[in-house]
Parts: sequence; C-alpha cells; structure tokens
Amino acid sequence: RKEVEQDPGPFNVPEGATVAFNCTYSNSASQSFFWYRQDCRKEPKLLMSVYSSGNEDGRFTAQLNRASQYISLLIRDSKLSDSATYLCVVYRSYNTDKLIFGTGTRLQVFP
Amino acid sequence: GAVVSQHPSRVICKSGTSVKIECRSLDFQATTMFWYRQFPKKSLMLMATSNEGSKATYEQGVEKDKFLINHASLTLSTLTVTSAHPEDSSFYICSARELGGRDEQFFGPGTRLTVL
Repeated sequence: RKEVEQDPGPFNVPEGATVAFNCTYSNSASQSFFWYRQDCRKEPKLLMSVYSSGNEDGRFTAQLNRASQYISLLIRDSKLSDSATYLCVVYRSYNTDKLIFGTGTRLQVFP
Repeated sequence: GAVVSQHPSRVICKSGTSVKIECRSLDFQATTMFWYRQFPKKSLMLMATSNEGSKATYEQGVEKDKFLINHASLTLSTLTVTSAHPEDSSFYICSARELGGRDEQFFGPGTRLTVL
C-alpha cells in the first residue's frame, strides 16, 4: 500500500464548478501536510499547508482529519488556469525526514 | 523569496556520459537539499537527502556510486549522474529547506535528462 494515496483522476469540470480532492495517508506519525500543484513538465509549487483546524486561501480550502488520516482540498469557482495536477504531500521526520508525495490528481477545467 | 534554481534545465547526452546538475538556493541558506526523480505519469520519488558538509543519505534502491551528490555550501548542491544510460532519462528536481525554516521545501525548476 502506498504511504500517500490519491485518486489520479482526471477530473474534468466546467469553469465555475466546485471540485474536491481527497487523499489518505497511512503513517500516523506524519507531521505536516501540504497540497502542491504541478503543471505539465514543471516543478511542484506549494499551494497551501494543511492544518487540523482547516485553512482557506481564496478559492481553496484544505482540511485535515488526523483521526481518519485524511486530507482534502476544495476548489471553488474553478478557473481554466486551475488545470494542473494536485499533489498531496506528507512530511514525516521519524527515521529520516522527508516529504512523501502522492501520485497526484489531475484536474482539467474546460470552458 | 525562497527561490531555488537548477542548471541546466535540459540535457541530451549519449549513453556513457556523466551529467552534472546544479541546485542553488538564491536568496536563502539551505542546510538540507533534496534530490528527486520523476518518471512520466509517476509521482516524485526522493533519491537522496543532502546535508551541507556531510555525506548524502540515499533512499533504498538508489545507487550512491551512480548518483554522486556534493553539498559544498549552504547554497549549492550538485548531482552527478555517472555513466548515464537511457533508463536514467527522467525529470530530476531538487528542493531546499531553509535554515531555521519550517518543514516546507522549495523546489527548483527541474532538469530534464534524455540519454540517447
């Protein structure tokens, strides 16, 4: 089983739609959680950190449920420019400290 | 702030050639830099963790003699792919964590290596 699991998609949604991505992680010792965005053939860029209290940044809302080991990302009012792959990323520091990446969920927003 | 550069952005080379990739943190000091590899339609996989002034820690299955890492200063780490073969063709990305910063890493733009 992968340490970080995501639905690969693709999610094809019209402009203006609300779309939600989910992610689960298997290691309860994971400490920090992030959503990254990766455009085709480019490096990942940090979208937002994820906190247990939930956090919002404009049209993006991220939520963490430690009990269920579940992370979500909600995008409201989708724009064409939101088309990308969204990576769920978990940081852990036990044993070796590193980021663990999910395979990503691909989003395609159409006009 | 928190800009990481990589050079070169793209390399095409013949089999057997060694290729050096540089990763620099431009506006911050990074005690730790990370090297990742990403094959098409796959997730980023950590290859090694590089700490300034010490030997790199390699992930299981990554050959340390093939992927030489040098982290000579707080702003520069290099990855050398020795005697590259076509199966080494991939997207190599470095990231850096700021000295005294939080857990987040800042990624370089990546180097696309094609070995013929």
